[in-house]
Amino acid sequence: GEDVEQSLFLSVREGDSSVINCTYTDSSSTYLYWYKQEPGAGLQLLTYIFSNMDMKQDQRLTVLLNKKDKHLSLRIADTQTGDSAIYFCAAPNQAGTALIFGKGTTLSVSS
Amino acid sequence: AAGVIQSPRHLIKEKRETATLKCYPIPRHDTVYWYQQGPGQDPQFLISFYEKMQSDKGSIPDRFSAQQFSDYHSELNMSSLELGDSALYFCASSTGQWTQPQHFGDGTRLSIL
Repeated sequence: GEDVEQSLFLSVREGDSSVINCTYTDSSSTYLYWYKQEPGAGLQLLTYIFSNMDMKQDQRLTVLLNKKDKHLSLRIADTQTGDSAIYFCAAPNQAGTALIFGKGTTLSVSS
Repeated sequence: AAGVIQSPRHLIKEKRETATLKCYPIPRHDTVYWYQQGPGQDPQFLISFYEKMQSDKGSIPDRFSAQQFSDYHSELNMSSLELGDSALYFCASSTGQWTQPQHFGDGTRLSIL
């Protein structure tokens, strides 16, 4: 069945780079997403990549997509304490009509 | 830029009561999605609408129903509420059915006492 998997926790020091990894099973050829959720808050669309791209860079964020291995990663450069949050990877279901979310990676940034 | 608006932001109900959550999509977005996020869980897809017609259904209980109106806003109706319905309910919208990024609202936090 459709599944999205990501590691649950990542701890880094302020100023380091953070890399959050995600694997997915089935996906229609549309977008793959990273969402950020701070405690008690909503889902913020952080960035997304179209499935025909390998890489997308947006300021401190770099998304890498390996479509052959169905692997998506999010790199945050110069990680700040304000980046501490839960990061969800999301991929379309097989029909492309809804998003399947991973369990979320809790990023903890220490100063 | 305009975002997805959800109301109310917080709602407290008792068991067996009913609740209605509202979602106003981004202007010119014709597709609306509803998701449920339980405490410490990832969001789970409930139901979606495209051009006022139901387009897909996920893990939505029979006690819940939803519709999309002519102005594209959507309402999620929940009846016979149970303790397990306590969750954050998100609405998302996009242009075109599943081909464009989904933008989420801030969610409605529903608490069942």
